[in-house]
Amino acid sequence: GQQLNQSPQSMFIQEGEDVSMNCTSSSIFNTWLWYKQDPGEGPVLLIALYKAGELTSNGRLTAQFGITRKDSFLNISASIPSDVGIYFCAGQRPPGGSNYKLTFGKGTLLTVNP
Amino acid sequence: KAGVTQTPRYLIKTRGQQVTLSCSPISGHRSVSWYQQTPGQGLQFLFEYFSETQRNKGNFPGRFSGRQFSNSRSEMNVSTLELGDSALYLCASSPDRNYGYTFGSGTRLTVV
Repeated sequence: GQQLNQSPQSMFIQEGEDVSMNCTSSSIFNTWLWYKQDPGEGPVLLIALYKAGELTSNGRLTAQFGITRKDSFLNISASIPSDVGIYFCAGQRPPGGSNYKLTFGKGTLLTVNP
Repeated sequence: KAGVTQTPRYLIKTRGQQVTLSCSPISGHRSVSWYQQTPGQGLQFLFEYFSETQRNKGNFPGRFSGRQFSNSRSEMNVSTLELGDSALYLCASSPDRNYGYTFGSGTRLTVV
């Protein structure tokens, strides 16, 4: 089945630093999504990407939908302590099918040292 | 605007029992999906409902089932519980399946 390879698995950074994480897939997707999950809560949608090559920002967060449709990255600029959490990428709706499920990466655990 | 509401938040059950989890999607959202989250397997898709019809199903045994009502509320049921069913069960809703899903806070199920 489809799998998403998300890297890095974990990051430990200093407050104020920029962060970059990415996801690659063996299959193409029509939609890429980035979520953040805090302990004991469900994932919260950060950015949704619907077109290959699309670059979208949400405050200090920027994400891009790769041209090949097989990858995406998320950047966080000037990190702050509340950025701590697990970040997940998810691909949705491979072309040619009716399956709308989200396929998730394994997550990137981000720790920010004040 | 209320978010996705899942009840109960926590549940402890004994092996062999069955359990029903409830999800109320955001008003107007017609697509509801269920996911299982465990440390080992991550987030795994269970099934998706759209307008009361199950459209997609993940690779879970038949002990896992669900349904969606006419008001889009959804329930999932797990019968003959096993220890490995202990997980965070997440429900997510979307207006029409083509947009990012909004997740609830989940139900933490512990099977003892």
